Amino acid sequence: EVHLLESGGRLVRPGGSLRLSCATSGFSFSNYAMSWVRQSPGKGLEWVSVISGSGIVTYYGDSVQGRFTISRDNSKNTLSLQMNSLRGEDTAVYYCAKGSAFSAVAAIYDFGGQGTLVTVSS
Amino acid sequence: DIQMTQSPSSLSASLGDRLIISCRASQSISTYLNWYQQKPGKAPKLLIYGATTLQSGVPSRFSGSGSGTDFTLTISSLQPEDFATYYCQHNYQTPPMWTFGQGTKVEVK
Repeated sequence: EVHLLESGGRLVRPGGSLRLSCATSGFSFSNYAMSWVRQSPGKGLEWVSVISGSGIVTYYGDSVQGRFTISRDNSKNTLSLQMNSLRGEDTAVYYCAKGSAFSAVAAIYDFGGQGTLVTVSS
Repeated sequence: DIQMTQSPSSLSASLGDRLIISCRASQSISTYLNWYQQKPGKAPKLLIYGATTLQSGVPSRFSGSGSGTDFTLTISSLQPEDFATYYCQHNYQTPPMWTFGQGTKVEVK
């Protein structure tokens, strides 16, 4: 059974940084693309970033491009999201999602965790 | 960006009802359309991908149809566990330009 467990969310001041993690189990992690999706009351569900199984190919949403970095450690079955220069509009619950394929583009994504809440406020 | 518009935004229904939720894309997305179910405090759950393919483990009372710009999610006989919010999402073009609809909340009548 696939397990995804997000962590790292907390209250942070505007301009601050935060690193989210997603611990995974139940599947061969390196064979599948992974993704971060966030959900806020004002903007609904929004795709944040996607990474291929190898970690070589990454994509970012326009709103986070240049501020967020997605990465993965295939030896530890862990997905990460480094978030810098945080803004109020980054406030959301962040979910990690598992792709159905190695390719970030070809995969269909499904979720499994509970999400982690990031609040950006002074 | 491709915009996804769902209708209705909410609906009230009774057990056993047949429900149809619509999703319209602002441009053609072929069959690059997925449906998710979300319950309060939980992550979304994939129900249907490729517009019509049922995800493994999802009950057969759920079905999807459509192509191009117009899509539907049908629940043939509403069960207690189906009261939730449903989202359509396209995966046309490169990620993460993929957008979700605004959601359809299914409530008890």
